[in-house]
Amino acid sequence: QVQLVESGGGVVQPGGSLTLSCAASGFTFSSFAMHWVRQAPGKGLEWVAFVRYDGGNQHYADSVRGRFTTSKDNSKNTLYLQMSSLRAEDTAVYYCAKEVSSGYSYDYWGQGALVTVSS
Amino acid sequence: QTVVTQEPSLTVSPGGTVTLTCASSTGPVTSGYYPNWFQQKPGQAPRSLIYNTNNKHSWTPARFSGSLLGGKAALTLSGVQPEDEADYYCLLWYRGAQPWVFGGGTKLTVL
Repeated sequence: QVQLVESGGGVVQPGGSLTLSCAASGFTFSSFAMHWVRQAPGKGLEWVAFVRYDGGNQHYADSVRGRFTTSKDNSKNTLYLQMSSLRAEDTAVYYCAKEVSSGYSYDYWGQGALVTVSS
Repeated sequence: QTVVTQEPSLTVSPGGTVTLTCASSTGPVTSGYYPNWFQQKPGQAPRSLIYNTNNKHSWTPARFSGSLLGGKAALTLSGVQPEDEADYYCLLWYRGAQPWVFGGGTKLTVL
């Protein structure tokens, strides 16, 4: 069965950096695009980033562009989100999500990783 | 800045029918926006329900259906169950630098 497991969350000071990982299993990871979505405490979902199936193309939300970088290592079946220049407003649960085979949509989600930006 | 708008809250009786909608600030929503619908219960990760307007995942209960209605994407729940009480989010795709935008979510109460 498909599993997505995020890790790497924690507490970081404003201006600091953190890298999240999403370990994938149960499907051919190299064939699917992946996304990051976040949810601030008590708030709605916010799309964060996309990476193409081969890692060759990425898109970012305006709120994180230039500070966050997403990548996927198809040899390790792992998705990454490198976050730098972190701000208090980046505090959220970060989810990875898998695209459906036809694209533009999601099917499976991870359980989420909490990132807290605080001094 | 593109804004996707959903009803903030709706209430439905058990066994009833309710329709949630998803509007775009750019104009009528079409299938080209690849509307998605997700359900989220407290303390849980979102769960995908509908993709590409009206396609169900293998786990999506039959009482959930997606459509386009009056220039909006719509999620209809027929024969609502108590366990359907949750937050529901839509997601639309746009051509451009920020291709995906979530709606603000609808809190559905079953009462």
